[in-house]
Amino acid sequence: NAGVTQTPKFRVLKTGQSMTLLCAQDMNHEYMYWYRQDPGMGLRLIHYSVGEGTTAKGEVPDGYNVSRLKKQNFLLGLESAAPSQTSVYFCASGASGRMNPNNEQFFGPGTRLTVL
Amino acid sequence: QKEVEQDPGPLSVPEGAIVSLNCTYSNSAFQYFMWYRQYSRKGPELLMYTYSSGNKEDGRFTAQVDKSSKYISLFIRDSQPSDSATYLCAMKVLTGGGNKLTFGTGTQLKVEL
Repeated sequence: NAGVTQTPKFRVLKTGQSMTLLCAQDMNHEYMYWYRQDPGMGLRLIHYSVGEGTTAKGEVPDGYNVSRLKKQNFLLGLESAAPSQTSVYFCASGASGRMNPNNEQFFGPGTRLTVL
Repeated sequence: QKEVEQDPGPLSVPEGAIVSLNCTYSNSAFQYFMWYRQYSRKGPELLMYTYSSGNKEDGRFTAQVDKSSKYISLFIRDSQPSDSATYLCAMKVLTGGGNKLTFGTGTQLKVEL
């Protein structure tokens, strides 16, 4: 099992450009999450999904959109990138209910995004 | 004020030392407490999980929760260079959709030979 994979690993954008980050998991998890990690700020939840076709806002959703058309994939979009979106982005997934007694989230390796 | 406060370090200790990592929180609704370990340029991974006040031990690691003081700790005994990583505390309320976690900022630990 590959676990949680993220594409791409690195990306440099210019202000105003758009891009999509792809997250895939092969553990049949219901829940998926997108976080950003910045120095001194820790991991902050951007958006999350509790199942195929559903999405919800997290702590810092502005400037991002998400879609979960398939259970195994969770896409994060930046429509018009800004320098403030320079960060490391992590995707995570987790099972629901009794399948996950420890409330564990499994993280991908991250995408390092720089917006110039 | 952040819901979860964690000293960012860095913390440098000699091999074999006992390490104490701590988080405080302000939200009384937090009922589940976790410690994640994150190696450099990797994603975090779950290290310890507990939901009650008191101690939980797993090998060289002990997680301690004091709900009355809103304070959690992770102790590492006989620390090894391989323990060098960033340790993030995470917390979850009892109910609520999606198992959302609130993370501390992380403490960077370096164990030196």
